[in-house]
This record gives sequence, structure tokens and C-alpha cells, in this order.
Amino acid sequence: DAGVTQSPTHLIKTRGQQVTLRCSPKSGHDTVSWYQQALGQGPQFIFQYYEEEERQRGNFPDRFSGHQFPNYSSELNVNALLLGDSALYLCASSLEGGPNSPLHFGNGTRLTVT
Amino acid sequence: LAKTTQPISMDSYEGQEVNITCSHNNIATNDYITWYQQFPSQGPRFIIQGYKTKVTNEVASLFIPADRKSSTLSLPRVSLSDTAVYYCLVGDMRSGGGNKLTFGTGTQLKVEL
Repeated sequence: DAGVTQSPTHLIKTRGQQVTLRCSPKSGHDTVSWYQQALGQGPQFIFQYYEEEERQRGNFPDRFSGHQFPNYSSELNVNALLLGDSALYLCASSLEGGPNSPLHFGNGTRLTVT
Repeated sequence: LAKTTQPISMDSYEGQEVNITCSHNNIATNDYITWYQQFPSQGPRFIIQGYKTKVTNEVASLFIPADRKSSTLSLPRVSLSDTAVYYCLVGDMRSGGGNKLTFGTGTQLKVEL
């Protein structure tokens, strides 16, 4: 039973560029959340997707956008990269409708902006 | 969203029991308490979740008093491999609740020989 998988594992981009990160949820899960984790900090909620729509959003600018596909996989897009966007980006999946459904996290994509 | 407060760091020795307490004074009626463990360069891993009283699984126990304003994660007989950051989260886990969990800075547990 595959867990949450993310790609790529590492990425180096230049300021101003755009980046796309990908996530496949755990088998049987239908909801995907994205988190940003800066060094030494806890993960910060970016947004969540369910039924191919953004359902909730944290305090992140519009440069951060996402998409969920019919197979429940998801992408996170970040435009006009800033040095401060350097972080570990985590994808988490869960099952909507499961009253006690905990989040299952992938191991993240390490993004470095130079 | 309920804010949580937990110690920044804790030290222990192998074989000891470790208790990490989390305060969440403004927990809402529908909120569950969830604990995660995170190793460097890995995603958080679910440890245990509870609503009230005591929950136990194969790796930990979670104690929640009647007023639910705090909770304690208990790790029995820790080993070096338990060295990690532990996060206490509080949130509405119901369908539609969105699982919009808020992480604090967590507790860095260091286990030594």
C-alpha cells in the first residue's frame, strides 16, 4: 500500500522563476493538503484540495496555486519565486468523510531558491 | 483554530518514559488532539489521536483530562531512534472540517544513552 509520494525530492530554482511540485496521495485518500516548512519551524498550511477544488487556504499569496486531478493527485505551483520561498514543501493526504482521518504526509520536496 | 503550547525541548535517556504535555486552553467542542513525530528531512508521521480520556496504541499513550485544555503524550521506554520533533495539533477532524491543522514549533526530544 503506497503512502504519499512527492516529486521531485530536491529542486533548485532562481529568483523569479516558476516551479511545480507534484503529489500522489495515499491509496484510498481523496483529499490533499499542502504545507510549507521553513528550517526550524513547524509546517504552515498553504491550502487543501477536495473534489478538484481548493477548499481551504492559509495565509499565502496568490503566487501559490494548486490543482487536483480526477485521480486525486495534486500539484503545487509557485510563481515569481522569492528567496524566502526556500523551504520543505509537504503534501498530506486524508480521507474525506472519515471522522477521525489523520493526515498522512509525504517526505516533501526541498526547494532552494537562489 | 485552537493554539497549542508545548515545551521547546526535552532530554531523556534510553529506557525511560517520556511525557510531553501540550496546552490548548481554547479547544473547541469538535476538536480532536493529534500528535505527530518528525525526523529531519522527512514528513511528519502520525502517532496518536484522541478526543477525551485515554487512548493507547502500539507506540504511545495519550492522556486527556476532562476539561480537555491540555493533553500528555506518553512514550514508554524511549530509545535513541525516538529522537525527533513532536507536534501537538488541535483541530476539527470531521468531514468538512478540512483537516486544516495548525502546527506550532513542536518539542525537540533528544534521547541519549
